[in-house]
Amino acid sequence: DSGVTQTPKHLITATGQRVTLRCSPRSGDLSVYWYQQSLDQGLQFLIQYYNGEERAKGNILERFSAQQFPDLHSELNLSSLELGDSALYFCASSPSGGAVGELFFGEGSRLTVL
Amino acid sequence: EDQVTQSPEALRLQEGESSSLNCSYTVSGLRGLFWYRQDPGKGPEFLFTLYSAGEEKEKERLKATLTKKESFLHITAPKPEDSATYLCAPGSNSGYALNFGKGTSLLVTP
Repeated sequence: DSGVTQTPKHLITATGQRVTLRCSPRSGDLSVYWYQQSLDQGLQFLIQYYNGEERAKGNILERFSAQQFPDLHSELNLSSLELGDSALYFCASSPSGGAVGELFFGEGSRLTVL
Repeated sequence: EDQVTQSPEALRLQEGESSSLNCSYTVSGLRGLFWYRQDPGKGPEFLFTLYSAGEEKEKERLKATLTKKESFLHITAPKPEDSATYLCAPGSNSGYALNFGKGTSLLVTP
């Protein structure tokens, strides 16, 4: 158990809909990262938050957004969903904010868009 | 542009048959080379960090090594429970997040 909690574990929705994925980082970790994993693209970095502030952006679509709240949990919002958004979405946390370091991953949220 | 390539994409070994996985990388200033293990439907689990060429780290049947352009994950006398996807990610001066390779899917059969 990494200590990172993600909900929901599974989500099935239709094209055009909006969903919210939730992540609680390990106790004491200030950084939260979101990754998307699909069969053809592998594990792709989406976005990082550190202590409530956006720190780095990766290949995140404009239809996607995220935020980190004062209690350090984070949410990833996916809107106008398309079939290609079906993937595993992972949250990871880290105690460090500036330097690249070891990441602790949650179990993921599996999104299926029909 | 930072790049990472893992080979082979898939590897099938018999129990006890040793082999190596490769991770080739190009980054602007390496800040650690990270290896992770991922079981099907689970999140990646941290294995090793290597920081400088020549460094080696071991954990049970796994040994990771690092050169200036590559890292190898050597698996000695593997067991079926070593079956998983192994991911590498070079940390870079140009970013805060880890960019992962596509991984090597390892299957060890009895």
